Amino acid sequence: GAVVSQHPSWVICKSGTSVKIECRSLDFQATTMFWYRQFPKQSLMLMATSNEGSKATYEQGVEKDKFLINHASLTLSTLTVTSAHPEDSSFYICSAREYGSYLDSPSRAAEAFFGQGTRLTVV
Amino acid sequence: QKEVEQNSGPLSVPEGAIASLNCTYSDRGSQSFFWYRQYSGKSPELIMSIYSNGDKEDGRFTAQLNKASQYVSLLIRDSQPSDSATYLCAVPTGGGATNKLIFGTGTLLAVQP
Repeated sequence: GAVVSQHPSWVICKSGTSVKIECRSLDFQATTMFWYRQFPKQSLMLMATSNEGSKATYEQGVEKDKFLINHASLTLSTLTVTSAHPEDSSFYICSAREYGSYLDSPSRAAEAFFGQGTRLTVV
Repeated sequence: QKEVEQNSGPLSVPEGAIASLNCTYSDRGSQSFFWYRQYSGKSPELIMSIYSNGDKEDGRFTAQLNKASQYVSLLIRDSQPSDSATYLCAVPTGGGATNKLIFGTGTLLAVQP
């Protein structure tokens, strides 16, 4: 099956520093990647949708200048949390959708494979 | 009204029993519905998808869809302790390249040995 690798799996950083999280599709090309954030005991909240070669689309309430997303290639998207603060501590998860899958039917939307997640702790 | 709603639980069932998980959604135009399982500290994994009214069975899992009532459910037969996890209902929204999944809050299932 399709594999999405997310790195790092956990990171601790000091308040005010920036952290970069990588999401790679290992055996398929991903034109679209999704970034989610999940706080303890809460559901996944979509932060942004990134399409290869274009600017990411951010959900309402998500600061695009704080959460920088780059999707420069069909296999790599990165999320940079800039000037991180303790309230940014969360579980960040990416998912990737294979090129062209959305063209088949809406059902293919679920065939977005999830990375392992990154536990970010800002101290 | 939230787009996708679930009872947060916890839902506690004894081992071997049937666990019933429910989800309601607000968009009448939704055509696809998905159930994900998420273990603590892990990312979600897709376990069932359903697109038509009625039941869809896959091993111990059965998804049920009623579009008129706007609900979708997941039944787990012969529940095992390893089924203990949070179950997330998800519905795609948007269309084409912007198609994205909206998740419910999830139901925590605890299967008691």
